[in-house]
Amino acid sequence: GESVGLHLPTLSVQEGDNSIINCAYSNSASDYFIWYKQESGKGPQFIIDIRSNMDKRQGQRVTVLLNKTVKHLSLQIAATQPGDSAVYFCAENLFYGSGGGSNYKLTFGKGTLLTVNP
Amino acid sequence: NAGVTQTPKFQVLKTGQSMTLQCAQDMNHEYMSWYRQDPGMGLRLIHYSVGAGITDQGEVPNGYNVSRSTTEDFPLRLLSAAPSQTSVYFCASRPTGINQPQHFGDGTRLSIL
Repeated sequence: GESVGLHLPTLSVQEGDNSIINCAYSNSASDYFIWYKQESGKGPQFIIDIRSNMDKRQGQRVTVLLNKTVKHLSLQIAATQPGDSAVYFCAENLFYGSGGGSNYKLTFGKGTLLTVNP
Repeated sequence: NAGVTQTPKFQVLKTGQSMTLQCAQDMNHEYMSWYRQDPGMGLRLIHYSVGAGITDQGEVPNGYNVSRSTTEDFPLRLLSAAPSQTSVYFCASRPTGINQPQHFGDGTRLSIL
């Protein structure tokens, strides 16, 4: 079956540094990718997404890069803050069938724990 | 908007008991789904619904039932709780159309003794 994996299960950075969280995906037909942040005791929170026809997308302090050649996704967080400490998940979406967007499979990675040291 | 609301936040059950986990969303999303999250594993899809009156199975549906009588609500029922169902359960919703992110509730932490 298809899988989404993370290269680093834990990442520790100093406050103010930039963070990079990596993700590998195995299905070259996946057409949409999402990054979620999950704080302790909370549900996953949408951060940023990217479609397969894009290489880069920027949000507020976050950038997602997509390398389809090597099936690799990364999340960059600029000027990391203590409030960024959380588990970060990537998810890949495979759309199949026709019409309505209702036929798709979303596969989640296991997550990377980001710890920001003050 | 409250987003996706799940109740209860915590629950302890004995083996064999039944219960219903509630999920409601106020974003008028057609698509709703239930996931379970276990240590060392990614979120796994239990059941989903593409609209009122329509439900379908995900990858781990055994032991769970769902119904969708309204757009807003999508309850998950455990028919006869087993220790293997100890987990954190998340409900999510999203709009119809391709390339739409799911929005999650804060989860129900369920322990089966």
